[in-house]
Amino acid sequence: NAGVTQTPKFQVLKTGQSMTLQCAQDMNHNSMYWYRQDPGMGLRLIYYSASEGTTDKGEVPNGYNVSRLNKREFSLRLESAAPSQTSVYFCASSEAAEYNYGYTFGSGTRLTVV
Amino acid sequence: KQEVTQIPAALSVPEGENLVLNCSFTDSAIYNLQWFRQDPGKGLTSLLLIQSSQREQTSGRLNASLDKSSGRSTLYIAASQPGDSATYLCAVRRLTSYDKVIFGPGTSLSVIP
Repeated sequence: NAGVTQTPKFQVLKTGQSMTLQCAQDMNHNSMYWYRQDPGMGLRLIYYSASEGTTDKGEVPNGYNVSRLNKREFSLRLESAAPSQTSVYFCASSEAAEYNYGYTFGSGTRLTVV
Repeated sequence: KQEVTQIPAALSVPEGENLVLNCSFTDSAIYNLQWFRQDPGKGLTSLLLIQSSQREQTSGRLNASLDKSSGRSTLYIAASQPGDSATYLCAVRRLTSYDKVIFGPGTSLSVIP
């Protein structure tokens, strides 16, 4: 019953450091997504992958890169962390992008950049 | 541009009361609408998913309705319990950009024992 698993759960970075957030799903879903959640801003889409081998920018992609490593895994990389990237990051998956399926979310990564 | 709003932003009710949370969206061209629950410091848990062709979905004490033409959805919670205290978010999946789901800001619910 793992669903969507995110690692790490918490992370503190110094400005300029890099890190990769990992996400894996075991539901054989085709589509995967990265969101950030900030107070007063709600959930905003960073990047998504409609299917293995494809990635596209969402609403707030600047400062991030993604890799769809295989069908199960979708990672988010911060190359040079900035305080503005302090947020809670959520990974989600969906069976398919073009059909009427809902989302399953991971438990989140709480990132602080100092 | 699709915008999703939720009213009220916060709600406090005594235990046992029935309550309604509202979600409005500006573009009726949607695939579906999903209601989530988020506990403090936790991820989002899916509660109900309503397809665009459906009028309502029920799960236990929860009932969600969808009126696509008016751009509205409601989440009805019957006989509320303290364990229902959480933030409830609605999200719509658009037809024109099916890979992108738009979330509402959420309603923070407190059920007082």
